[in-house]
Amino acid sequence: DTGVSQDPRHKITKRGQNVTFRCDPISEHNRLYWYRQTLGQGPEFLTYFQNEAQLEKSRLLSDRFSAERPKGSFSTLEIQRTEQGDSAMYLCAIQTLSSYEQYFGPGTRLTVT
Amino acid sequence: RKEVEQDPGPFNVPEGATVAFNCTYSNSASQSFFWYRQDCRKEPKLLMSVYSSGNEDGRFTAQLNRASQYISLLIRDSKLSDSATYLCVVNVDTDKLIFGTGTRLQVFP
Repeated sequence: DTGVSQDPRHKITKRGQNVTFRCDPISEHNRLYWYRQTLGQGPEFLTYFQNEAQLEKSRLLSDRFSAERPKGSFSTLEIQRTEQGDSAMYLCAIQTLSSYEQYFGPGTRLTVT
Repeated sequence: RKEVEQDPGPFNVPEGATVAFNCTYSNSASQSFFWYRQDCRKEPKLLMSVYSSGNEDGRFTAQLNRASQYISLLIRDSKLSDSATYLCVVNVDTDKLIFGTGTRLQVFP
């Protein structure tokens, strides 16, 4: 158990709809990351938070994507006006304070039809 | 050029075999190095961090060559349960992880 839960685990949506994913670290970690993984590729960085501050966003994160971490604990990732190219696994990870190791949640698999 | 490059495989090996995976990275400022294991449709799981002096964890040995910007993973006495995709990962500027595309290993009886 990595101490990270994600909800939902699977999401099927129609193109043009908005979706929101949630990531809940079990214990407090100051850094929380979002990655996206498509078939046959490694995870790609999207954004990360240190406490509630969003410190970096990848150019992969178009204007349709927004992430929040309002109280420095759980985080949400919203995709507006979904496109078929958004179909992927969305992974949340936490980083320990003592090292640069990151531990991933089970992911949310998004399918846009 | 990709920041982290790996041979995608698949590597098909019999149980008990020794198999080695290699990885190169392009950013000489990379500071931390890892191998993650990923099973089909699951999240990546940290296998081991890679230290400059090389390190071993049971049947797994990782090596780092900073001069050549090269990382390796050796698996001895392969088990069926080692079948998975192995992701080479680097950390630049202590922030985000950069993943390779992964090397698929299939161990057969």
